[in-house]
Amino acid sequence: DGGITQSPKYLFRKEGQNVTLSCEQNLNHDAMYWYRQDPGQGLRLIYYSQIVNDFQKGDIAEGYSVSREKKESFPLTVTSAQKNPTAFYLCASSFTRTEQFFGPGTRLTVL
Amino acid sequence: SQQGEEDPQALSIQEGENATMNCSYKTSINNLQWYRQNSGRGLVHLILIRSNEREKHSGRLRVTLDTSKKSSSLLITASRAADTASYFCATGGSKTNSNSGYALNFGKGTSLLVTP
Repeated sequence: DGGITQSPKYLFRKEGQNVTLSCEQNLNHDAMYWYRQDPGQGLRLIYYSQIVNDFQKGDIAEGYSVSREKKESFPLTVTSAQKNPTAFYLCASSFTRTEQFFGPGTRLTVL
Repeated sequence: SQQGEEDPQALSIQEGENATMNCSYKTSINNLQWYRQNSGRGLVHLILIRSNEREKHSGRLRVTLDTSKKSSSLLITASRAADTASYFCATGGSKTNSNSGYALNFGKGTSLLVTP
């Protein structure tokens, strides 16, 4: 089946820890995106990548980092510099200027 | 930054009724998309309307776009309990939003509750 997957579904982080969220797609999409969603809110763009080995900051990139070494993969690291990381994280992919396909999300909680 | 803004924030209707949600945006766009999100899940794309289109249909969904008013509406006809979800509009390809490439700007969504 073609699709986009995220893991883990739930993630718990202690203060001062870095954690990495996985995002994989087999849709042959060029572009991939990371969004953050807080309760009752819309999605805010963290990072996006339009091609392998290239990525750009979104609206709320501080405290996050990404890599794009393979077309299929776009992992997101939440660093200790992100002071309020508790949120629902959504990964998406697309061909350019078309609809985006979303993964099921990772819910991150800081203990 | 969030460009789209949905109205109303919440909507409660009975099965069989129609549901209308509105979206307003601020800058010029190449297209406008509507997505659905069930609680705690990822978003699912519903429909895309291009800036040169005025109306589009997909099953029980009807979307209109008025670029002069910078607004769009989503109509769900003959609603079902399974339509209960949050609905988001998203704008893409803004000529003034070069920082985000092909990424989308989402509103805060309309929460729709359809009761049997």
